[in-house]
Amino acid sequence: AQSVTQLDSHVSVSEGTPVLLRCNYSSSYSPSLFWYVQHPNKGLQLLLKYTSAATLVKGINGFEAEFKKSETSFHLTKPSAHMSDAAEYFCVVSDPSGGYNKLIFGAGTRLAVHP
Amino acid sequence: EAGVTQFPSHSVIEKGQTVTLRCDPISGHDNLYWYRRVMGKEIKFLLHFVKESKQDESGMPNNRFLAERTGGTYSTLKVQPAELEDSGVYFCASSQTQGAYSPLHFGNGTRLTVT
Repeated sequence: AQSVTQLDSHVSVSEGTPVLLRCNYSSSYSPSLFWYVQHPNKGLQLLLKYTSAATLVKGINGFEAEFKKSETSFHLTKPSAHMSDAAEYFCVVSDPSGGYNKLIFGAGTRLAVHP
Repeated sequence: EAGVTQFPSHSVIEKGQTVTLRCDPISGHDNLYWYRRVMGKEIKFLLHFVKESKQDESGMPNNRFLAERTGGTYSTLKVQPAELEDSGVYFCASSQTQGAYSPLHFGNGTRLTVT
């Protein structure tokens, strides 16, 4: 069965400092992994996806994630936080057993960015 | 391109009443999904349409929930009668293809409050 665990429910950083949001996954298949972000009163926006090509995946707004099979991790990072990065972030794994892209979400990590 | 549109954005109803949520997918997207997030829980899959056919409704919580997609365009999700535990945010998503790598485009969600 597929699952994801987001290790931190809340992360707080200062503007201009690095961001690290941690995610571990479990998958019976070669996983497809995603990070989505939800800003207040907005929908879920795809940040980036891993689909078994390069292990370091670059996304939008300066975010990137590294797939580490040995650690079953897919942590999200950004070198320098911006105030506009404050949002909730979801690590997601795809369950392909039904022949389509059924998403399994982590519990979410709320990122706060302080001036 | 217009995104996935959901309405209403908010709905407050009393226990025992009926509510119908609507989702308009991105034009040309045959695949339509419903997800929901109840308070304090992860975002969970409800069901998947391909055109007007239900491909997987394994996530529907009980028979008080009815989803339709007449004509393979917009979809409705009816809750009848609503219970307190149905409160949460209901997300709709669409995708052009249904492969494990195909990204889902989410709407802003409908926040349902049952009092």
